[in-house]
This record gives sequence, C-alpha cells and structure tokens, in this order.
Amino acid sequence: ETAVFQTPNYHVTQVGNEVSFNCKQTLGHDTMYWYKQDSKKLLKIMFSYNNKQLIVNETVPRRFSPQSSDKAHLNLRIKSVEPEDSAVYLCASSHQRTEVFFGKGTRLTVV
Amino acid sequence: GQQVQQSPASLVLQEGENAELQCNFSTSLNSMQWFYQRPGGSLVSLFYNPSGTKHSGRLTSTTVIKERRSSLHISSSQTTDSGTYLCALRLSGSFNKLTFGAGTRLAVCP
Repeated sequence: ETAVFQTPNYHVTQVGNEVSFNCKQTLGHDTMYWYKQDSKKLLKIMFSYNNKQLIVNETVPRRFSPQSSDKAHLNLRIKSVEPEDSAVYLCASSHQRTEVFFGKGTRLTVV
Repeated sequence: GQQVQQSPASLVLQEGENAELQCNFSTSLNSMQWFYQRPGGSLVSLFYNPSGTKHSGRLTSTTVIKERRSSLHISSSQTTDSGTYLCALRLSGSFNKLTFGAGTRLAVCP
C-alpha cells in the first residue's frame, strides 16, 4: 500500500531541545509539504518542495528548517523548541499542483 | 480578511438527516479539495474537485467557480460521519500550496 509515512507519531520534549521529524512518500509525487495544525485545528503551510527545490517558505521562525534528500523524503528539524511549537505537524505530497495526500501527523508536546 | 471561509462553524444532526457544508473563497482558484478529520485523526481526502459535481456514496461535492463557492452535501447522516470537514484551495497568487478553511465540526447523534 502506498502512502505518506511520518515518524514519530508522538514526541514529548523539553524547551530548548532539538527535534527532527521524518516524512517519506511512496506515491511517486514530486512535491512535498509541511503543515502545522495548532490547538484550534487551524492548518497553516510551513514549507513546500518541488523536486527537492524549496518553493514555499512561509513566515516561520528560523529555528524550523526543512531537509530534502530526494523527491520522496522531506524532514523537518526544529533547532530549539519553544512551548508554542506544541502542535501536530502534517506532511503531505502531490503530483505538481494536483490532489494532495496527507500523512497521519506527528504530535509534538513541549514541556 | 480570510480568503477561505467555511460555514457553518459547527453543526449537530440527528442520524438520518442531511447536511450542506459551504466553502466560500475570495479569489480565483486553481483547484480545491474537501478533507475529513476525526478528533486526533489524520486528514482523509474526500474529493478533489476543481469544478462541477462529484459523487461518492452519500457524499456530493459541487464547485461553482464563477460564484466562488463549493459545497459538500451529506445525505442520510450516520454517527460515523461525526468529525471535522475542511475545504482547501489552491488560490490565485499561491498555487503552490493549499489554503485551508477553519472547518465545520459535525456531530451526528443517534
């Protein structure tokens, strides 16, 4: 079964730590995204890559950095987490600008 | 103002009733999708519907570009339909990302 896979499912960490989330898609898509879903369930784009090239970089704190090794992988690193980073981080992929498919998300709790 | 507005914000139905969820947008669009999300669950794509009408079981999606709106109709609702319904669009000037509405929270009571 092909899909968008995210690890870990959950992560609890302390303020100031570094965390890294992984995302892999097996759909053969060329575009991948990271979205953040806050406590009010609002979804906001963070980054988008097309063929390993960054094409969308919304206004997010500099401690967030995406990492793309190939078209099928897009990781997200947070250098020094803060309490407001607690959220669900959703990875997604699409073929260019067509239908978007999401992973199950990584829930981050910062204590 | 908000580029994508969904209504109603929340809705309570008795099992068997129908529902009409609305999504209005302020600029032209390239494509739109409807998603379903259970509490704590992942986003499931219901429809990829840039224009016209599509059907899937008890669900119907209709997008009217000229009127800048899309609707999701749920017929004969079931308790398992409870959750949040989100519309998301690729809008003019930002085609490289989906812009989401705030969602409609649906509760279907037995």
